[in-house]
Amino acid sequence: EVQLVESGGGLVQPGGSLRLSCAASGFSFRNYWMHWVRQAPGKGLVWVSHINSDEITTYADSVKGRFTISRDNAKNTLYLQMNGLTAEDTGVYYCARDSAAPIGVGSDYWGQGTLVTVSS
Amino acid sequence: EIVLTQSPATLSLSPGERATLSCRASQSLSSYLAWYQQKPGQAPRLLIYDASSRATGIPARFSGSGSGTDFTLTISSLEPEDFAVYYCQQRSNWPPRYTFGQGTKLEMK
Repeated sequence: EVQLVESGGGLVQPGGSLRLSCAASGFSFRNYWMHWVRQAPGKGLVWVSHINSDEITTYADSVKGRFTISRDNAKNTLYLQMNGLTAEDTGVYYCARDSAAPIGVGSDYWGQGTLVTVSS
Repeated sequence: EIVLTQSPATLSLSPGERATLSCRASQSLSSYLAWYQQKPGQAPRLLIYDASSRATGIPARFSGSGSGTDFTLTISSLEPEDFAVYYCQQRSNWPPRYTFGQGTKLEMK
């Protein structure tokens, strides 16, 4: 059974840092592109970052230079290092497996999400 | 950055009716478009990938169509469990970057 379990969310002050983790199981993690997607309270989905199986990464403009996505294939874990956090970064952060890459688009498995709150 | 515009923002229909949701892109996407369903307190669920391919386990009443800049998600006959928020997502070819539409809320009339 495919499972994605996020952790590492919490309350952080503006300007602070947080590292999110996503533990993957039930599939060959190293072969899949992975994403982070966030959702502010009561708002829509926002794509944050992706990393492919060759560890090539891309970011949304809103987080570029502040967030870093990485993966540890030996530990089947995806990470998101978040620095310089602002209130606009508040929301639930989901990790998702991309089932359509490298040719298409579509994420078939999602974690339950971890809540990040940026507030003083 | 490619912008996706979904319409309508809210769609009020009754069970058994047909739902047609639209997603328009600011630039041509080829077929790089997916549709998701999200219910309150839940993670999104993939319905359609690559514009028209149903994801595993998705009922046949869900269908996707379109190419270029105009895409449609159709639910042929609404079931009570279909009332939710629907998002489209696009991917640019290379480097791959992604955006979501703002969502369409499908509510029960």
